[in-house]
Amino acid sequence: EIVLTQSPGTLSLSPGERATLSCRASQSVSRSYLAWYQQKPGQAPRLLIYGASSRATGIPDRFSGSGSGTDFTLTISRLEPEDFAVYYCQQYGSSFPLTFGGGTKVEIK
Amino acid sequence: QVQVVESGGGVVQPGGSLRLSCAASGFTFWSYGMHWVRQAPGKGLEWVAFIHYDGSDKYYADSVKGRFTISRDNSKSMLYLQMNSLRTEDTAVYYCAKVFCTTGTFCALDIWGQGTMVTVSS
Repeated sequence: EIVLTQSPGTLSLSPGERATLSCRASQSVSRSYLAWYQQKPGQAPRLLIYGASSRATGIPDRFSGSGSGTDFTLTISRLEPEDFAVYYCQQYGSSFPLTFGGGTKVEIK
Repeated sequence: QVQVVESGGGVVQPGGSLRLSCAASGFTFWSYGMHWVRQAPGKGLEWVAFIHYDGSDKYYADSVKGRFTISRDNSKSMLYLQMNSLRTEDTAVYYCAKVFCTTGTFCALDIWGQGTMVTVSS
């Protein structure tokens, strides 16, 4: 089973600032099958990034993903008020179980 | 409008059973694999189970293997999760989610329902 470790646990930033979220895998993620999701309180997760760097439909270009192998990053170039939420990475590589990271909460400073 | 809507949650005693349903609409349900993912109160996301687009293969998390059964009825665009021998640690919001790619197995999850709450308590 691939364990995903997200850091930091909480990121305190102001609107307009840049957010950099990390996701580290315990072993290489096959074919960069790494996704990022955003979840707001009381809501379902929303797919932001798949294949490590491809934006899902309707996702603003201030969200970008990068990385390969065991190290992945989600960057939000300029935080908008609606971006304050919890972010999860997930690997969906070539075997089960699928696994999620523990999440990074981006909060208003 | 592409959507999935879960139902069937509720309060059940430890050792009891519950069947969750997920109604899909707005897409060709029979072309997509489907997942169940859960989230315990205040906790992160945990993958539970997956079923191929045609129901031919099913996969489970170790924590539910032998107790939960995922199934689907493509004629009705419905996904199910039969949960038996429920434990207090199964208490969570249960989400159904569609995979992003047609007939694929290892794909991101692009459409999620709002979830249904399952509480296991005496």
